[in-house]
Amino acid sequence: NAGVMQNPRHLVRRRGQEARLRCSPMKGHSHVYWYRQLPEEGLKFMVYLQKENIIDESGMPKERFSAEFPKEGPSILRIQQVVRGDSAAYFCASSPLPDRGDYEQYFGPGTRLTVT
Amino acid sequence: DQQVKQNSPSLSVQEGRISILNCDYTNSMFDYFLWYKKYPAEGPTFLISISSIKDKNEDGRFTVFLNKSAKHLSLHIVPSQPGDSAVYFCAASARYGGSQGNLIFGKGTKLSVKP
Repeated sequence: NAGVMQNPRHLVRRRGQEARLRCSPMKGHSHVYWYRQLPEEGLKFMVYLQKENIIDESGMPKERFSAEFPKEGPSILRIQQVVRGDSAAYFCASSPLPDRGDYEQYFGPGTRLTVT
Repeated sequence: DQQVKQNSPSLSVQEGRISILNCDYTNSMFDYFLWYKKYPAEGPTFLISISSIKDKNEDGRFTVFLNKSAKHLSLHIVPSQPGDSAVYFCAASARYGGSQGNLIFGKGTKLSVKP
């Protein structure tokens, strides 16, 4: 049973370019969460998605950031016109349906974005 | 405003002894708490969780204690092993408080278990 998969593991972008981060949840999981970790900090919530729906994007910066979880395929976190301050580790997590009583979120290995 | 605080950035323990990691929270709407372990360059790994209706949950060498009146929880690892050396994150969620289940993390405590 494969865990949460993220790719790429490392991504280098120049200022002004676009970054696309992909996340495939664990099999049977329909909820996806994106978090960002800056150096020496804890993880900060960004967005919560179900298939074809954004449930909570209260942690997303208002500009340049967007996320989707289409009916088919992985969830995508997109950062347009990247700046140096976007350099961080981006983690995706998935969980099963909450009404099954499972609330644990299982994390992928992360994508380390470096903006030069 | 930090809603989940881990006030000890680091902790060093001898192999075989008990490790106690602490976490404080401020939001009374939090009703579910989790501990994650993280190695460098990897994602957090879920360890153990506790609902606010309980005050203790145990899984093997790991036990989490919750003191709601003090808004405090702790993770006990006994006996500690060198492989437990990692950064430990406390996280909280307000499942029924409108947060939709997203986790609020502390900044982590780096545990070093010495042989």
